[in-house]
Amino acid sequence: QSVLTQPASVSGSPGQSITISCTGTSSDVGSSYFVSWYQHYPAKAPKLMIYEGNKRPSGVSNRFSGSKSGNTASLTISGLQAEDEADYYCCSSAIGGSFYVFGTGTKVTVL
Amino acid sequence: QVQLQESGPGLVKPSETLSLTCAVSGYSISSGYYWGWIRQPPGKGLEWIGNIIHSGSTDYNPSLKSRVTMSVDTSKNQLSLKLNSVTAADTALYYCARALHGDYGGSWFDPWGQGTLVTVSS
Repeated sequence: QSVLTQPASVSGSPGQSITISCTGTSSDVGSSYFVSWYQHYPAKAPKLMIYEGNKRPSGVSNRFSGSKSGNTASLTISGLQAEDEADYYCCSSAIGGSFYVFGTGTKVTVL
Repeated sequence: QVQLQESGPGLVKPSETLSLTCAVSGYSISSGYYWGWIRQPPGKGLEWIGNIIHSGSTDYNPSLKSRVTMSVDTSKNQLSLKLNSVTAADTALYYCARALHGDYGGSWFDPWGQGTLVTVSS
């Protein structure tokens, strides 16, 4: 199983919206697999931002949203803030959680 | 709330066995949930290693399955990971996390531990 492909970096100015793509295949993202997204600051525990494609855990800002089209899942951050500067990873899970594959990771920079 | 803390030797020699534990607080492992191990080599992305439930049932990444053993110790409320025959390629930050499952079959990790760095070197 190959990793999911993400852009290495995405940047935006405060207040702007950015979208991070996560491209897989018809065997994972494009099938009935479910996608989650994680925010990761260096030396910190990764934090769940989106699960089951478009659901936000309690406490996560509604500026974060998830979607999927075909073999590509996306994470959109609207109203970009300095605190959003971090690495973001997507993850596709097989039904029932018997297998997971992560994306290559995207570094978000707030200009 | 649920908290996880990984621990173990920071340095392992090539060909030896990497052994880590993950102490869980705020929740009794024997009550349920799956628990996972994920790693991140320096400068690289995340890689799922495997999941385990309190009964001992496991799912492993096929790429690591031949070298991985996961177990749970409900008396200590902790998880353990063993990876044998390690090489420099196994140098990574190792995380444990709780795996949650949704009503529609989806699964995700929340929360995660802070991670522990393991270096494989002679």
